[in-house]
Amino acid sequence: QVQLVESGGGVVRPGGSLRLSCVASGFTFSDFGMHWVRQAPGKGLEWLAFIWYDGSKIYYLDSVKGRFTISRDISKNTLYLQMNNLRVDDMGLYYCARSWGGASVGMEYWGQGTLVTVSS
Amino acid sequence: DIQLTQSPSFLSASVGDRVTITCRASKDISTYLAWYQQTAGKAPKLLIFAASTLYRGVPSRFSGSGSGTEFTLTINSLQPEDFATYSCQQLDSFPVTFGGGTKVEIK
Repeated sequence: QVQLVESGGGVVRPGGSLRLSCVASGFTFSDFGMHWVRQAPGKGLEWLAFIWYDGSKIYYLDSVKGRFTISRDISKNTLYLQMNNLRVDDMGLYYCARSWGGASVGMEYWGQGTLVTVSS
Repeated sequence: DIQLTQSPSFLSASVGDRVTITCRASKDISTYLAWYQQTAGKAPKLLIFAASTLYRGVPSRFSGSGSGTEFTLTINSLQPEDFATYSCQQLDSFPVTFGGGTKVEIK
């Protein structure tokens, strides 16, 4: 069955960096686009970034552009989110999600999330 | 960016009730709209895609409608497991955006 398992969250000071990973299994990773979505405590869902199935197209939310980098390693079935210059408002639960229908249908499978805390 | 405005943000209902949640887009998104259900501490689950198509395994008491800028999610005969937060999402263009969510609680 399809599984997405995030890791790499933790506590970091403002201005610090973290790299999140999302290991995919149960499907052909190279066939699907992937998203990162976050949820601040008690808040709604916020889309962050998307990478096309072959890595040829990448999109970011403006507020993370230049600070966050999405990438994928097909050989490791792993999606990454490199997060630099973290801010207090970046705190939250970070999910990876498998896209469906390119990028225009929905997010069909989600991981369980990894928690990022930004605090001095 | 396309803004999605959901209403209400909170609703209290009883088992067996019919509930309707509205999602309005700031521009025409055709039917590039999805609905998700999220229970406390869990990841969102896809309920409806393309505005009105039920995702596999989703009970038929859920339905979606609309196109352009106005969309609705309806739950007929609310069940105990339906008490959750529901969010709409537009996939017409990047950045993908979500509505603010509607929390459905037990009356």
